[in-house]
Amino acid sequence: DAGVTQSPTHLIKTRGQQVTLRCSPKSGHDTVSWYQQALGQGPQFIFQYYEEEERQRGNFPDRFSGHQFPNYSSELNVNALLLGDSALYLCASTRQVDSYEQYFGPGTRLTVT
Amino acid sequence: AQSVTQLGSHVSVSEGALVLLRCNYSSSVPPYLFWYVQYPNQGLQLLLKYTTGATLVKGINGFEAEFKKSETSFHLTKPSAHMSDAAEYFCAVGPFGGGGNKLTFGTGTQLKVEL
Repeated sequence: DAGVTQSPTHLIKTRGQQVTLRCSPKSGHDTVSWYQQALGQGPQFIFQYYEEEERQRGNFPDRFSGHQFPNYSSELNVNALLLGDSALYLCASTRQVDSYEQYFGPGTRLTVT
Repeated sequence: AQSVTQLGSHVSVSEGALVLLRCNYSSSVPPYLFWYVQYPNQGLQLLLKYTTGATLVKGINGFEAEFKKSETSFHLTKPSAHMSDAAEYFCAVGPFGGGGNKLTFGTGTQLKVEL
């Protein structure tokens, strides 16, 4: 049973560019959340998708957007990249019915230069 | 609003010694509480969780934590540290009742285990 998978594992972008990160949830899970973990910090909640809609959002600007597909996989898009967007981006999946049990993927390390 | 405070960004113990990582939370609603472990260049792995019921919860790798409502604490312990326990540990809080839990994390505690 595959767990949460994310791609790519590492990414280097230039300021002002756009990036798309991808996540496939654990089998049987229907809800995907995204977190940003800056160096030396705890993960910060970006947003959560369920039934292809954004259900909750953290304190992140509109440059951060997402999507969930019918197969429950998800994308995180970040526009107009800033140096401060450099971080580990974590995807977590769960089942909506018992969503306290969240499983995290290995993350995508984004470096903005 | 919910928040988590982890006391001590770095903790060092000897192999075989007691591990104690501190976590205090703030929540306006009954909380769900979690401890996650993160090894270098990896994602987060759930160690244990408190939802309802018994306040002493046991997790993987010999870790346990006790929910103390009066102290708003959820400290993580392990009787005897092993070298493989060296990692970063995060305490997190989520709102009671599920419904798509947004987790609020502490800033983490780096555990070092020395011979």
